[in-house]
Order: sequence, then C-alpha cells, then structure tokens
Amino acid sequence: DAGITQSPRHKVTETGTPVTLRCHQTENHRYMYWYRQDPGHGLRLIHYSYGVKDTDKGEVSDGYSVSRSKTEDFLLTLESATSSQTSVYFCAISEGPLRGQETQYFGPGTRLLVL
Amino acid sequence: AQTVTQSQPEMSVQEAETVTLSCTYDTSESNYYLFWYKQPPSRQMILVIRQEAYKQQNATENRFSVNFQKAAKSFSLKISDSQLGDTAMYFCAFMGGANSKLTFGKGITLSVRP
Repeated sequence: DAGITQSPRHKVTETGTPVTLRCHQTENHRYMYWYRQDPGHGLRLIHYSYGVKDTDKGEVSDGYSVSRSKTEDFLLTLESATSSQTSVYFCAISEGPLRGQETQYFGPGTRLLVL
Repeated sequence: AQTVTQSQPEMSVQEAETVTLSCTYDTSESNYYLFWYKQPPSRQMILVIRQEAYKQQNATENRFSVNFQKAAKSFSLKISDSQLGDTAMYFCAFMGGANSKLTFGKGITLSVRP
C-alpha cells in the first residue's frame, strides 16, 4: 500500500470555523490531490498540486484553499466551514502525468461533519 | 469536459458466479486512461484495474478483467468467481491524456450473496 496518511480521520466542527485537513505521503510522489465524496456524486476533485508551491483548482474548489510547502505534505483548508462541506475527504498521490506514472493511490479518508 | 456514467446504482450476485459492471464515458481525446476502483465498507479506495486507451488488449488482474470498447466508449468490469470480499462500491474513472485529473462515475454498489 502507498504510504499515505490523513489527519484527522474524523472531525466535527461548527459552521463558520476554520478547518485544516492534512495529507502526508512517504512515497516522494510529485502530484497530490484532494477529493470529496458525497452520495450520488462519486468523488470530485477539489484542488491538486503538481509540485511544491504549485497548485491548481479542480471541479469543486469554491470555499477551499490548499498549500504545499513540502513534497510530503498537502493541506486542505476550509476558511469558514459550511454545512455543505460535510463530506468524506480523500487525499491521493501519483508520480506524475506521464505514461506509467498516472495511477492515483488514495489515503484512508477524513470524515468531516459541519454542524 | 469528460463525463463518466455508471447507470446501475446497485447489483447483486451469488458467490462463485460472474458479474459485469457497466461504465460508459464521453471524451474527444484519443489518448486516455480508464480505471476501476473498489471501495469496501472500510471506505478505503483500492485500485482494481487500469486500461490504457491506446492498447487494444483488455486488461486483466486475476479474477478481474475489463471489456474495453473504444469506439463505443464503454469500459465494463467483469468479476469472475465472485467472493464475499468483493462486496463493495465500485467506481469507474477516466483520466485524459496528459491531464492528471480523474473524473469519477457515481459508483455502483455490488453485493455478493453467500
């Protein structure tokens, strides 16, 4: 299994509070991703990173920001959590976009409940 | 934009039998990758199988194989000799060319009956 951890694994917070989720990898992969999973939607990409300090938006980026100051860590921040951000969040990693490197491997997920 | 469609929300199969999960996609790209991921009750996303569009040969991984029909934009997963541990949600996913982003279908819940 790819060495990917997410913290926290579960979090309950209140509307309007900031929340930061952390993804940590030990594989030295260049690409890292944040997805959210909601019933009836599969997984949807929030943001991704293609290197240290290099990030880009995904399909559902509104209300989220990310940072990557080290290869191994990718942080997802909800500046002011809303109930619509209650979801399961997955981090994923891949070596890169080139053939043979593109497969994404997923972390265990973080269940976030915003009250 | 690419889309991935999994039209069957649920399926059930008897242990030891074979089941096929359907997936269709829409893209204008000629080079891309297709994946099936499994999500058991533990919620972990596990790669089942991967197919490169330029390869005509269907990918196989032990009991799992795909039927890749490029012209029809169809990518179905066949599970042979179904086991209780195959009970999970299965997601079909698309990645276009040099674009590293995955687009997922909504998933299908597979139940294997003893």
